[in-house]
Amino acid sequence: GEDVEQSLFLSVREGDSSVINCTYTDSSSTYLYWYKQEPGAGLQLLTYIFSNMDMKQDQRLTVLLNKKDKHLSLRIADTQTGDSAIYFCAERGSGGGADGLTFGKGTHLIIQP
Amino acid sequence: NAGVTQTPKFQVLKTGQSMTLQCAQDMNHEYMSWYRQDPGMGLRLIHYSVGAGITDQGEVPNGYNVSRSTTEDFPLRLLSAAPSQTSVYFCATYRGSGELFFGSGTQLSVL
Repeated sequence: GEDVEQSLFLSVREGDSSVINCTYTDSSSTYLYWYKQEPGAGLQLLTYIFSNMDMKQDQRLTVLLNKKDKHLSLRIADTQTGDSAIYFCAERGSGGGADGLTFGKGTHLIIQP
Repeated sequence: NAGVTQTPKFQVLKTGQSMTLQCAQDMNHEYMSWYRQDPGMGLRLIHYSVGAGITDQGEVPNGYNVSRSTTEDFPLRLLSAAPSQTSVYFCATYRGSGELFFGSGTQLSVL
């Protein structure tokens, strides 16, 4: 089946940039997503990128997509304590349920003061 | 609008007991799904429904039943709870744009 891989943990200092990486295997992916899960809550869509784009920027967030290498990254500039959460990469392709979404296992972003 | 509402938030069961996790949505989305979240395993799809009267299995359906009699409700039933079903359960709806809307989760412990 299709697979989405992420590192489980990332630790950064407050004020630095965080870069969360993701690789996927489905070559038919149309959209790629980043979801954020804060403690005790469900996932919320943070941002997404269409597969024919290389980059998308939204305030402190920058998404980079290398379709050839099937690599997606999320950069958070000026990381704050409120950014502490689990970040899930997801791709929309041929797998998953009827929504076609396959999720990675999530990256815990830990902010050091 | 409440979005996706899950009840209960916490539940403790003994092995062999049955229970139903409730999920209700007021967004009029046709697609609803149930996930379980376990440490180091991420989200795994249990069952999903593309509309009233239609359900299908996801990645880990064993031990769970679902039904979809209305657009609004999508309950998840555990017929005979096992310790392996200790997890956090999330219900979600799907708008068709790739965005899933999640409930706040049910934390279930099976002793």
